[in-house]
Amino acid sequence: QKEVEQDPGPLSVPEGAIVSLNCTYSNSAFQYFMWYRQYSRKGPELLMYTYSSGNKEDGRFTAQVDKSSKYISLFIRDSQPSDSATYLCAMSARGDSGAGSYQLTFGKGTKLSVIP
Amino acid sequence: NAGVTQTPKFRILKIGQSMTLQCAQDMNHNYMYWYRQDPGMGLKLIYYSVGAGITDKGEVPNGYNVSRSTTEDFPLRLELAAPSQTSVYFCASSSRRTGITDTQYFGPGTRLTVL
Repeated sequence: QKEVEQDPGPLSVPEGAIVSLNCTYSNSAFQYFMWYRQYSRKGPELLMYTYSSGNKEDGRFTAQVDKSSKYISLFIRDSQPSDSATYLCAMSARGDSGAGSYQLTFGKGTKLSVIP
Repeated sequence: NAGVTQTPKFRILKIGQSMTLQCAQDMNHNYMYWYRQDPGMGLKLIYYSVGAGITDKGEVPNGYNVSRSTTEDFPLRLELAAPSQTSVYFCASSSRRTGITDTQYFGPGTRLTVL
């Protein structure tokens, strides 16, 4: 079983839809959870991060972590064509300094298309 | 502030050739990373560095070498290129701040084809 599983899609939704992107993981040491967005032919950029369990909201984006189920989600409300990108989940364990480790484990990414 | 820059953007190599992928950052970050991204395979860590003069292997280091003589630069060397090294290579950097997780800033990538 891979450490991080993510459905590669592609996922195609109409503009204005609510999008749900998910990852599952097997390593119970993971405590820091991130979502990166990658536009075509660009480098990934950090979209959101959460520590431990719970929800975090930032505008139209909500990141959700369920450590008991080893499951994380990213919800996009009122999706826009500009949200069309590949979304990668990433996670890390606690590092030696007490903060998140610098070594991230990435999912394969889900390609999202928002159709006008 | 240019962030993380990478050169070249594209390169085609013949089997057995060597090349160096350049990476530079102007954010004074201590930590730098090299990843490769194959289609549908996510990002795999090749090498990383926690400061000038200190480097270590990641998940897929075979066929690559790195050096870190300055804080700003972190070149990746490919010796004896093989078709399996055809990929998109990303350099990233981050700073360490106690208590929160690390934000890695990525460069635009180098698309390498080995024929």
